Amino acid sequence: QVQLVQSGAEVKKPGASVKVSCKASGYSFTSYYIHWVRQAPGQGLEWMGIINPAGGSTSYAQKLQGRVTVTRDRSTNTVYMELSRLVSEDTGVYYCAKGSKTPDYWGQGTLVTVSS
Amino acid sequence: AIQLTQSPSSLSASVGDRVTITCRASQDIRSDLGWYQQKPGRAPKLLIYAASSLQSDVPSRFSGSGSGTDFTLTISSLQPEDFATYYCLQDYSYPQAFGQGTKVELK
Repeated sequence: QVQLVQSGAEVKKPGASVKVSCKASGYSFTSYYIHWVRQAPGQGLEWMGIINPAGGSTSYAQKLQGRVTVTRDRSTNTVYMELSRLVSEDTGVYYCAKGSKTPDYWGQGTLVTVSS
Repeated sequence: AIQLTQSPSSLSASVGDRVTITCRASQDIRSDLGWYQQKPGRAPKLLIYAASSLQSDVPSRFSGSGSGTDFTLTISSLQPEDFATYYCLQDYSYPQAFGQGTKVELK
């Protein structure tokens, strides 16, 4: 069955970077894009970016351009999302999701807390 | 960037009610819209893709309609497990974008 398993919770200081992983299994890794979506506490969903695991091409939300980088490792079927220059407003749950158009399967989420 | 406006932001309803949620896009997105349900502490669940196609294993009381800029999610007879927050997502172009959400609460 399709599974997206994300890395564990992180606590970071303002100005630091965080790297969240998403390991895919149960389907052809290079056949579907991987999205990243985040959710601040009590707030709505925010689309962050996407990667094509086959060729590595990416697209990001304008708001996060320059701070977010999504990469993949085809040898381990893993996608990584790195967010730099963290601020308190980056606190929230980060999700990866599979889908070349509408994301269908989602990871369990990773809580990232930014606090001094 | 394309923006999505959902309405209402919240609603109160009873079990058995017919519920309608709307999503308006800032430009024509053809039928490239999905609907999600999210419960507290859980990842979103895909209900509808391509505006009107029901995702597998989703109950038939959920339906979607619309194209262009105006879209609707309808729950024909609200069940206790349907109390949740619902989001639309445009996948017509990058950056993709979600609506701000509609919370469906028990009246």
